[in-house]
Amino acid sequence: AQSVSQHNHHVILSEAASLELGCNYSYGGTVNLFWYVQYPGQHLQLLLKYFSGDPLVKGIKGFEAEFIKSKFSFNLRKPSVQWSDTAEYFCAVNAAGGGNKLTFGTGTQLKVEL
Amino acid sequence: DVKVTQSSRYLVKRTGEKVFLECVQDMDHENMFWYRQDPGLGLRLIYFSYDVKMKEKGDIPEGYSVSREKKERFSLILESASTNQTSMYLCASKGRQVQPQHFGDGTRLSIL
Repeated sequence: AQSVSQHNHHVILSEAASLELGCNYSYGGTVNLFWYVQYPGQHLQLLLKYFSGDPLVKGIKGFEAEFIKSKFSFNLRKPSVQWSDTAEYFCAVNAAGGGNKLTFGTGTQLKVEL
Repeated sequence: DVKVTQSSRYLVKRTGEKVFLECVQDMDHENMFWYRQDPGLGLRLIYFSYDVKMKEKGDIPEGYSVSREKKERFSLILESASTNQTSMYLCASKGRQVQPQHFGDGTRLSIL
């Protein structure tokens, strides 16, 4: 069974700092990869997705993620965070050909301080 | 835009009660999902459905059942609620092709 690891559970940054959140998955085959964000009191929203092609994907609000197949990783990055990026971030993996099931990581709570 | 609507934002029930959580989507999606979200555990899949009257168990189906009588509606049922089912419940839907899931606002359920 596939699993997803997010090693950073809580991250605190100052505004304008750079962000990198780690995501590793365990599945040897082809995968579809997602990052979702949940702002306080809001529903889960898609930040970005990778299905195929260029391993560097750009999402909304200046976020990007890089798929490194050899490392089974899909880390999320943002060069300069804002206070409004305070939220919980979830990495999710779907095994291609494995139906519609998504496996989520445990989430990373990001707090950006002014 | 896809709209996934969960019938209640907050719900308080007593142990032993039968509890129904309702979810409706407006995009004619074939697939619908129920998750529970707990701090430090992320989202865990309870059940999903890929068509009307079809259902499959997710990772934590014990104590739950589901119903999909119409394409747009997917119900989660707690047969006999227990305090360890206090959680945030999220519904999601997606179409047939490879695409992201779309989530509702969630129902925060407390079992007393």
